[in-house]
Amino acid sequence: KQEVTQIPAALSVPEGENLVLNCSFTDSAIYNLQWFRQDPGKGLTSLLLIQSSQREQTSGRLNASLDKSSGRSTLYIAASQPGDSATYLCAVTSWAGANNLFFGTGTRLTVIP
Amino acid sequence: DAGVIQSPRHEVTEMGQEVTLRCKPISGHDYLFWYRQTMMRGLELLIYFNNNVPIDDSGMPEDRFSAKMPNASFSTLKIQPSEPRDSAVYFCASRTGTGEYEQYFGPGTRLTVT
Repeated sequence: KQEVTQIPAALSVPEGENLVLNCSFTDSAIYNLQWFRQDPGKGLTSLLLIQSSQREQTSGRLNASLDKSSGRSTLYIAASQPGDSATYLCAVTSWAGANNLFFGTGTRLTVIP
Repeated sequence: DAGVIQSPRHEVTEMGQEVTLRCKPISGHDYLFWYRQTMMRGLELLIYFNNNVPIDDSGMPEDRFSAKMPNASFSTLKIQPSEPRDSAVYFCASRTGTGEYEQYFGPGTRLTVT
């Protein structure tokens, strides 16, 4: 079974700092990887989706990379803002079960003004 | 489109009562998923439907849980009887049958069983 791990579990940074969130997965046979944002008491908002054939995706201040062979993805947030404070989840879709998203446990980010 | 719609947003019930959660997927999406989120176990898939047919219910915790999708625009997740350990946030998600397989999530239903 696919296992997804996110490190660190929590992160606090001062406003304006660039930061990297890490995601690792045990089975490299993935279809895609998604990064989500979850605000307290809210649902999940999809930030970026990377197909298995892609190396990275960018959206505004966010950049997600994928190294399928090593089972790793990173989410880079540039010039962090207090509004970026949330929990960030990564999730992979495996080829074997292309309809099941396997979620990591999340990284809780706090950006201090 | 309004996105995935779930109701109610919050539900508080007593142990032993029946609970029904509702979901309206994004129009045109062929797949519908029910997830549960708890502090201990994170997000877990309970069941998913393709074209209104249940495909994989291996994540349903026990017989007290059941899900239906009578048509393309409506699904229910029912718990009967409910227990305190069912307290969690239940999410519904949907996606198309082609393309990138990106799932779109609803706002969730926070269930508290006392």
